[in-house]
Amino acid sequence: EDQVTQSPEALRLQEGESSSLNCSYTVSGLRGLFWYRQDPGKGPEFLFTLYSAGEEKEKERLKATLTKKESFLHITAPKPEDSATYLCAVREETSGSRLTFGEGTQLTVNP
Amino acid sequence: DSGVTQTPKHLITATGQRVTLRCSPRSGDLSVYWYQQSLDQGLQFLIQYYNGEERAKGNILERFSAQQFPDLHSELNLSSLELGDSALYFCASSVGGAGGPEDTQYFGPGTRLTVL
Repeated sequence: EDQVTQSPEALRLQEGESSSLNCSYTVSGLRGLFWYRQDPGKGPEFLFTLYSAGEEKEKERLKATLTKKESFLHITAPKPEDSATYLCAVREETSGSRLTFGEGTQLTVNP
Repeated sequence: DSGVTQTPKHLITATGQRVTLRCSPRSGDLSVYWYQQSLDQGLQFLIQYYNGEERAKGNILERFSAQQFPDLHSELNLSSLELGDSALYFCASSVGGAGGPEDTQYFGPGTRLTVL
């Protein structure tokens, strides 16, 4: 069974204090790893898809990387508006297009 | 705005009742997915439809059912509601349905269901 574990559960940063969120996964064959951002009471917002180990993608202050066992979401010089829950999801080779989500990391950036 | 719409935004009902949640996918998307998000369980995949046909099933209870209509909108029917069914229900859509690179799922704003 696919497993996705995110850490930490919650992270509190000061504005400008860079950090990383972790997503560890166990799948028989990875077909894609997805990062989403979710604001309270809203739907998840797509950020990145990574397909193979060594791949990196960037968007503004966010950079996602992928290894064979985990993915990191690096946040550089965060701002209060980056506060949200960040969700990681995996798509396994034999599961079509369904996604298995982790529990998320709740990020708070204080001014 | 993802382009996926869901109605209603909020729904309050009593135990034992039946409700219908509606989702319209992004223009051009053929797949619709339903997810449940509760405080203690995170986002759980329920079911996927592709161009009107059921494509994949997840942890969907027998009391729950869904369908996708010819105009590609989808409805999730929840019956014999229990207190534990209170959750956020999200719909997502994607272009394809087989897990290819084009199958990025875009989520709607959700329906908050409260069962009293």
